[in-house]
Amino acid sequence: NAGVTQTPKFQVLKTGQSMTLQCAQDMNHNSMYWYRQDPGMGLRLIYYSASEGTTDKGEVPNGYNVSRLNKREFSLRLESAAPSQTSVYFCASSEVGQDTEAFFGQGTRLTVV
Amino acid sequence: QKEVEQNSGPLSVPEGAIASLNCTYSDRGSQSFFWYRQYSGKSPELIMFIYSNGDKEDGRFTAQLNKASQYVSLLIRDSQPSDSATYLCAVNADAGNNRKLIWGLGTSLAVNP
Repeated sequence: NAGVTQTPKFQVLKTGQSMTLQCAQDMNHNSMYWYRQDPGMGLRLIYYSASEGTTDKGEVPNGYNVSRLNKREFSLRLESAAPSQTSVYFCASSEVGQDTEAFFGQGTRLTVV
Repeated sequence: QKEVEQNSGPLSVPEGAIASLNCTYSDRGSQSFFWYRQYSGKSPELIMFIYSNGDKEDGRFTAQLNKASQYVSLLIRDSQPSDSATYLCAVNADAGNNRKLIWGLGTSLAVNP
């Protein structure tokens, strides 16, 4: 059972480049999330998808877009990367609702130079 | 702004001792409380959750909840060097039309052999 799988694990981008972070879960969860984690800032929610076909902004959505492709997959896109987006990104899923226990992917360490 | 506060540490305990980690929260309506462990460079993983006042035990871990005082704690008995990690407290909170998880910044625990 793979759980939540994120790709890539590491990425270096130049300012202005775009990229998509991929996330897939095999737990049949309805809800999926994208977080970023920065030193001293903790986990901050970027976007979430309560169920297939819906997406909503979290605390720090600016500069990001998401797509809930189907129940399994939830992708995060950076259209024009900025150094401020250097962070560790985590995808997570839960059965239903933002206030239930979440299962995390292994993370993507992104550096924007 | 709903808040979850934790002492950042580092909390240092000798092997075999009891480690006590504390978390306070501001939303009196919170109903679900979670403790996650995060090893350096890894993703958060759920250790325990607690919904009711009192203690909940799982192996060497005990979660304690006091809703009147708005705090939740995690006790780790017989601490092992492998318990050295950052412990994140997460609390569900009112977010208008729904509820969401609010994360603390985490407490760093070092268990010394």
